[in-house]
Amino acid sequence: DAKTTQPPSMDCAEGRAANLPCNHSTISGNEYVYWYRQIHSQGPQYIIHGLKNNETNEMASLIITEDRKSSTLILPHATLRDTAVYYCIVLLIRTDKLIFGTGTRLQVFP
Amino acid sequence: GAVVSQHPSWVICKSGTSVKIECRSLDFQATTMFWYRQFPKQSLMLMATSNEGSKATYEQGVEKDKFLINHASLTLSTLTVTSAHPEDSSFYICSASSGTGGGGQYFGPGTRLTVT
Repeated sequence: DAKTTQPPSMDCAEGRAANLPCNHSTISGNEYVYWYRQIHSQGPQYIIHGLKNNETNEMASLIITEDRKSSTLILPHATLRDTAVYYCIVLLIRTDKLIFGTGTRLQVFP
Repeated sequence: GAVVSQHPSWVICKSGTSVKIECRSLDFQATTMFWYRQFPKQSLMLMATSNEGSKATYEQGVEKDKFLINHASLTLSTLTVTSAHPEDSSFYICSASSGTGGGGQYFGPGTRLTVT
């Protein structure tokens, strides 16, 4: 499965957009990009996923570059409750396995 | 959205005893369930994958005789930590997939195990 690279930590002011980047340069054509987040001492929460097109839901937007080698998760108006570790994961559908990397620790400050 | 529960949410046991953790999908049928372990300040590590009615597939380095997984129905999987030792103290998290495509998994809230 393709490996992902994320910055270890980021800060964001409350109310501003949080843009979390992810590199997945070895992704192959049948692998999806998934984003999960984990708030301290809880199970991970699904955010969004995509294959090649940009996606948006009530939580976030996912922008995938045309060559699919990187993506950005956008939280349009970050709140203090968005403070968490965000994981970008490349998933091969046939295995259904999620292999978590180290993620990005997002700190939203007032 | 889909809900996955775990029981217990935390447990303390003595060294040498066994502990069973339950994972249930409450509003969907989970063809596949996964078990993860997470040590403090580390990421989640996949331990095993289980499909209903068949033997679990363990990741490399995970002792299958120590971490017994049973997936007897489409809504329940159990993880038994046998002969627990202090180094088994960790946060154990399960997830479930309905297998309907898209690959998404829904995670339980986790079980914190402390072995004294």
